[in-house]
Amino acid sequence: QKEVEQDPGPLSVPEGAIVSLNCTYSNSAFQYFMWYRQYSRKGPELLMYTYSSGNKEDGRFTAQVDKSSKYISLFIRDSQPSDSATYLCAMIPDDKIIFGKGTRLHILP
Amino acid sequence: DGGITQSPKYLFRKEGQNVTLSCEQNLNHDAMYWYRQDPGQGLRLIYYSQIVNDFQKGDIAEGYSVSREKKESFPLTVTSAQKNPTAFYLCASSILTGTGELFFGEGSRLTVL
Repeated sequence: QKEVEQDPGPLSVPEGAIVSLNCTYSNSAFQYFMWYRQYSRKGPELLMYTYSSGNKEDGRFTAQVDKSSKYISLFIRDSQPSDSATYLCAMIPDDKIIFGKGTRLHILP
Repeated sequence: DGGITQSPKYLFRKEGQNVTLSCEQNLNHDAMYWYRQDPGQGLRLIYYSQIVNDFQKGDIAEGYSVSREKKESFPLTVTSAQKNPTAFYLCASSILTGTGELFFGEGSRLTVL
């Protein structure tokens, strides 16, 4: 079983819809959880950073962590065409960061 | 503006040639990283460095080499020993290792002809 699993998509949703992106992980030692956004032919940028179980909200974005199920989610409300990108989850077990393979998201105008 | 600068953005290389990718940061970060990104593979760690004159192998270090002579600079050499070097290479930095907040450059796309 891979340490971090993420559906590669692509995921296409109409503008204004709520988007749900997910990752599962196998190592209960993971403590820190992140979501990065990567536009085509660009480097990733940090979107959300969470530590504990529960929800963290930032504008239209909500990151959710369920450590008991080893499952993390990123919700995007009122999705916009500018949200079209690849979203990578990432986790830290020690001094290295482990990335998911990324989910390609298309928001259709 | 603070950030990470990678060059060149696009690079073509003939088989058997070594090539060096540049990465410079002015964020005063101690830790720097090199990742390789292939379609469907996500980000794979090549090398990372926590301080000047020290670096560690990542998950796919074979066929690559790095140096860290200055805090601001972490060049990556793709050697002729790397069997499949065509990829998108990303350099990143962070204040410390293990913090999770990586700042990435714009990437360098290497194509071997």
